Amino acid sequence: ILNVEQSPQSLHVQEGDSTNFTCSFPSSNFYALHWYRWETAKSPEALFVMTLNGDEKKKGRISATLNTKEGYSYLYIKGSQPEDSATYLCAFTGGTGNQFYFGTGTSLTVIP
Amino acid sequence: NAGVMQNPRHLVRRRGQEARLRCSPMKGHSHVYWYRQLPEEGLKFMVYLQKENIIDESGMPKERFSAEFPKEGPSILRIQQVVRGDSAAYFCASSLSRGFYEQYFGPGTRLTVT
Repeated sequence: ILNVEQSPQSLHVQEGDSTNFTCSFPSSNFYALHWYRWETAKSPEALFVMTLNGDEKKKGRISATLNTKEGYSYLYIKGSQPEDSATYLCAFTGGTGNQFYFGTGTSLTVIP
Repeated sequence: NAGVMQNPRHLVRRRGQEARLRCSPMKGHSHVYWYRQLPEEGLKFMVYLQKENIIDESGMPKERFSAEFPKEGPSILRIQQVVRGDSAAYFCASSLSRGFYEQYFGPGTRLTVT
């Protein structure tokens, strides 16, 4: 069984703070790393797909980096807003890219 | 462009009955993934299908569970002789292809076995 870990498990920040969290995954046999945003009562929504070591992706105030050699990815949120409150999931796929292994997520609450 | 659709949204079955969960992918998507979320746990991969083919079913229990994605119509996850431990949220996701492509998730089917 493959282990994908996310930390911290939960996070409370004040509006306007910047924050980041970590996804750790196996460093061998890497295929791709996905980030998703999951709001309560909704479906997971794709944020980024990262494939190359050193990849950096950005979407508005959210960005992500990837280090496949050491097996981690960071997700950054700059100037957090209440609407950023959600669970952020990462999913690792290795080998042939057929199976996806999700972390248990980081639950972010942004306090107005 | 309609998103991924799943039905029913809620399904109640008695122990021993069959459950059929349907997933209609986004238009143009021919790849479907099924995931299960048990209470207090994360999403667990079950099966990956392409039209008319099961590509990887390594995450699906060997007994009682089956999946299909016919040429026409939705993908179906079938659970025979349900037990209480099958109570979970079942999500499907579709994509243009595997691995590198974003997955678009449906709203999920919440299965309750009484």
